[in-house]
Amino acid sequence: GEDVEQSLFLSVREGDSSVINCTYTDSSSTYLYWYKQEPGAGLQLLTYIFSNMDMKQDQRLTVLLNKKDKHLSLRIADTQTGDSAIYFCAENGDMRFGAGTRLTVKP
Amino acid sequence: DAGVIQSPRHEVTEMGQEVTLRCKPISGHDYLFWYRQTMMRGLELLIYFNNNVPIDDSGMPEDRFSAKMPNASFSTLKIQPSEPRDSAVYFCASSLEGVGYQPQHFGDGTRLSIL
Repeated sequence: GEDVEQSLFLSVREGDSSVINCTYTDSSSTYLYWYKQEPGAGLQLLTYIFSNMDMKQDQRLTVLLNKKDKHLSLRIADTQTGDSAIYFCAENGDMRFGAGTRLTVKP
Repeated sequence: DAGVIQSPRHEVTEMGQEVTLRCKPISGHDYLFWYRQTMMRGLELLIYFNNNVPIDDSGMPEDRFSAKMPNASFSTLKIQPSEPRDSAVYFCASSLEGVGYQPQHFGDGTRLSIL
């Protein structure tokens, strides 16, 4: 089947920007999603982007989409300790999730 | 909106025992998904249903795992016999059908420990 790939770990210092990357293979996807999972909880939808957009900004979050390369990224500006979580990208074409990137924010 | 409801939240049992995990999707949702999450392998899709019919079970690890959806408001994931390597967090999710903005809604998961 189609795959969604992410790196598993990312560590940043509080106040820095975090960039989480994702590659997908299903070109029929019309929506791409970012989910956040806090410890002991399920996945919660964080943001999304429609496939005909290159960028979407939502407060501290910026989503970039390179449809040609099938590359999606999530940038978190001014990262806080409360942003420590696992972040998943997902696409709606094949309904697949990446394995998740564990973001650790150090004070 | 009650969200996706999973039970039990925690399950500890000895190897060889039968384990049954339960899920109630959001009313009106057409798709139901079962996932398994471990530190080593991340989030894995096990099986998903559309209108109560299993569509893709290629992620089910082996014959010890089975899933059913007898009606639109209930699904079970069964492991028989259970083994220590089945220890993980199991999530259920549901979504609406259709092309377009239809994100999955997740339950809080069942943390399963097989001793």
